[in-house]
Amino acid sequence: NAGVTQTPKFQVLKTGQSMTLQCAQDMNHNSMYWYRQDPGMGLRLIYYSASEGTTDKGEVPNGYNVSRLNKREFSLRLESAAPSQTSVYFCASSPRDEQFFGPGTRLTVL
Amino acid sequence: AQSVTQLDSQVPVFEEAPVELRCNYSSSVSVYLFWYVQYPNQGLQLLLKYLSGSTLVESINGFEAEFNKSQTSFHLRKPSVHISDTAEYFCAVSPGGYQKVTFGIGTKLQVIP
Repeated sequence: NAGVTQTPKFQVLKTGQSMTLQCAQDMNHNSMYWYRQDPGMGLRLIYYSASEGTTDKGEVPNGYNVSRLNKREFSLRLESAAPSQTSVYFCASSPRDEQFFGPGTRLTVL
Repeated sequence: AQSVTQLDSQVPVFEEAPVELRCNYSSSVSVYLFWYVQYPNQGLQLLLKYLSGSTLVESINGFEAEFNKSQTSFHLRKPSVHISDTAEYFCAVSPGGYQKVTFGIGTKLQVIP
C-alpha cells in the first residue's frame, strides 16, 4: 500500500497563476482532508470531504476550491495564487478517527 | 466548537532525561484525543490516541499520555528521551466519527546530546 500520495512535492508559482494539488489514498477511507501548515500556526483545515460526493469548508477556505473526484482522490485548486498561500500543504485520509497524512507539497508563491 | 492549547512551542531536554509535553483542550461534547509526531520534512503520523476505556494510553516507542477529564488535559510523557525523539508533536481533538479534527500549534522537542 502506498498510503496517501501527493503531487507535486514542490512548486513555485507567480502571483495570479493557478494550479491543482493532487491527493490519492489507497486505503478505502471515507474521509479526506486538506490542511496547510505555517510556522507557529500548526495545521489549519482548508476543506474536507466526509464521504464521496460531499465537501465542506474548514477554517481557512478562502482562495481554494476542492474536488472529491471519487473515493480515492481529493484535489485542491488555487485559482489565482497569492503570496499569502505560500505554505506546506498536507492531504490526509481517515477511516473514522485516526488520520493518515501524505508527505506534503511545499508551495511558494512569488 | 473545540480548541486545543499547547502551551510550550519549544522544549529542549537532555538525552535520557524525562519530558512532558502539555496539552489542554476545550469542548462542549465528549472528545477523542490524539498525539501526532512530525519528523523533519515529513507528514504527521499518529503516536497514540484516546478513544475510550483506560485513561492511560501508550505508544510503541515509550511515550504515554493520560486523559484527565476534570483538568481537560492530555499531556504526553516519556521517562527517558532519545536523540531520535527530536521532532514536532501535535495534540489534536475530535468529537469522534466523521468529524473535523482540531490540531494544536505544535511543540518542538529538541533532544540535546
